[in-house]
This record gives sequence, C-alpha cells and structure tokens, in this order.
Amino acid sequence: QQQVKQSPQSLIVQKGGISIINCAYENTAFDYFPWYQQFPGKGPALLIAIRPDVSEKKEGRFTISFNKSAKQFSLHIMDSQPGDSATYFCAASNRKLVFGQGTRLTINP
Amino acid sequence: DGGITQSPKYLFRKEGQNVTLSCEQNLNHDAMYWYRQDPGQGLRLIYYSQIVNDFQKGDIAEGYSVSREKKESFPLTVTSAQKNPTAFYLCASSIAQGGAEQYFGPGTRLTVT
Repeated sequence: QQQVKQSPQSLIVQKGGISIINCAYENTAFDYFPWYQQFPGKGPALLIAIRPDVSEKKEGRFTISFNKSAKQFSLHIMDSQPGDSATYFCAASNRKLVFGQGTRLTINP
Repeated sequence: DGGITQSPKYLFRKEGQNVTLSCEQNLNHDAMYWYRQDPGQGLRLIYYSQIVNDFQKGDIAEGYSVSREKKESFPLTVTSAQKNPTAFYLCASSIAQGGAEQYFGPGTRLTVT
C-alpha cells in the first residue's frame, strides 16, 4: 500500500516532442505528490508538485495531471529539450515521502 | 547562499570500518532525512528527524545510526553491520515533517571494499 509504481523505466523522445511519465499509488491517505529531477551525480531537485484537490498543475513546460479516482498521476514535459535529459522520480507523501523507481529520460537532438 | 551541504562527495572505506557522512543545512528547516539510492532504484528512507534530539527509523535503518544534536546537522554513520553499504547517500530537509517540500543535498557516494 505504501508503494508508488512508476513507468516507463526509460524513455527516449525527440527534441520538441512530449515526454510523459506515469505513476500509480494505492494509499488514499497520500496528500502530496511531487516530481523530482535528478542529473547524474547530483541530488534530486524538486520540479513540480500537486495536492489531490486539483486535477492539473502547470509550470512552464512541465505539467502534472492528477486522477484521484484512478489513483494515478503523470508528468508531461512539453517541447522536450536535450537539457531535460535526466532521471525523473515521482513521489507521494503521507508524513513520509515514498518514491517511485525512477524514469531515465533521454531527449535526442 | 542557503542550502544543504554533504561531505565528502566521494568516500572510500574498507569493509568492517564504521564511516560517518556529514549533512549540514542553513535553511532553518526542522526536519531532516537520510536516503539511500542504488542504481536503477528509487530513494529509500534510512532515518528522519523532526526536531533536535529526536529521530525515527525509516524503511531500511538496519546497520545505520544517526544523531541530531543541532538543528543544522544530521550526520549518518554507516556501521560495519550494514551488509551492503556501497551506495549513493542523500540528505534532505524540509520546513516540517510530512507533506512539506524536501530539498536535497548533492549526495555522498560511498564505496566499501
């Protein structure tokens, strides 16, 4: 119940395309859903986050879509750029953060 | 500059030795956390602390110990009892424990041979 399942494990997208990463959870007590971006050898950086009272949140090229009834949420990166190449982690929180397994995103120029 | 510092960036130890990883924050955050990251895996919580002189075990606390004597500092000791200590260790902090945003340090890569 404390797991967050993330897919795909790896993703290759052409420059300018849309990158989509999906996460699913079981625990309905989760009340905060952040996404983190991590470059090799660095710590994760908070990218964008959402709470379950809204269905979508957009910040620049990054959008979180949240489906409370399906217990799923996803990250969309519009107009993907080579600089977006990184590992992305979804997470869910109920007093503690539970992380997904990560998605290695590669944007081909 | 406000942030979280971890030192050293790379650490090498022989099997059977205890080693302490440093984590300092100047964000005035109450809560601090230690995570372990292995290749191809998500972050797993080792220990967390909501307040000075108090800390709780996370999901994989066996073989690790922590202290929280100061608000700014949360050192992690990897003991010889940890069966597979080679990993990337990440420290994080947040204003309060729970759903608050967590900010991560740059990490320490520990290699035990």
